[in-house]
Amino acid sequence: DTGVSQDPRHKITKRGQNVTFRCDPISEHNRLYWYRQTLGQGPEFLTYFQNEAQLEKSRLLSDRFSAERPKGSFSTLEIQRTEQGDSAMYLCASSLEGTGLRAFFGQGTRLTVV
Amino acid sequence: AQSVTQLDSQVPVFEEAPVELRCNYSSSVSVYLFWYVQYPNQGLQLLLKYLSGSTLVKGINGFEAEFNKSQTSFHLRKPSVHISDTAEYFCAVRDSGAGSYQLTFGKGTKLSVIP
Repeated sequence: DTGVSQDPRHKITKRGQNVTFRCDPISEHNRLYWYRQTLGQGPEFLTYFQNEAQLEKSRLLSDRFSAERPKGSFSTLEIQRTEQGDSAMYLCASSLEGTGLRAFFGQGTRLTVV
Repeated sequence: AQSVTQLDSQVPVFEEAPVELRCNYSSSVSVYLFWYVQYPNQGLQLLLKYLSGSTLVKGINGFEAEFNKSQTSFHLRKPSVHISDTAEYFCAVRDSGAGSYQLTFGKGTKLSVIP
């Protein structure tokens, strides 16, 4: 069990640029989640995948955000035309169906939009 | 829709003293409840969870929590804290029905253990 891996750990980008983050879940975990955490707040749900299917999306996920999980393995989260309000920690988590809802979180990608 | 309120943003406590971190939730449906801990520069780690059955749930590192349905609370307790317990603690809730997998988190409580 190597844990959930996220890349990059830190990203600084200029407003208006596109960014893409990657999440590698624990192998064999079929469920994958993205959350966003801003300073002083708890994580907020963005989206959920079961295998390669995106089954749930938050209203927080505007049309500038897109997430994919091709082949049900790693996932990417892309933000287009970044805004300063997108500055946050983006967290990925994974879990295995039938294991009592235990989700394992990665260390996150910290995005700063300048 | 659910919401979670963690009543204390910061809790200082002396080493070896007991601690209680409070969590209240609101939901129109049955829920599952969780406590996560976040150490500096680390990912969130599950401390304990309530899915069903006994309302007193024991977790890792000597923590326990009690689900109180009438008070819609899920307070976290530890009888004697250590310096290593210094971290941020998040309470979270999830709809127990099928079709929703999102966790709703509280804003967190920073526990500072004083030597």
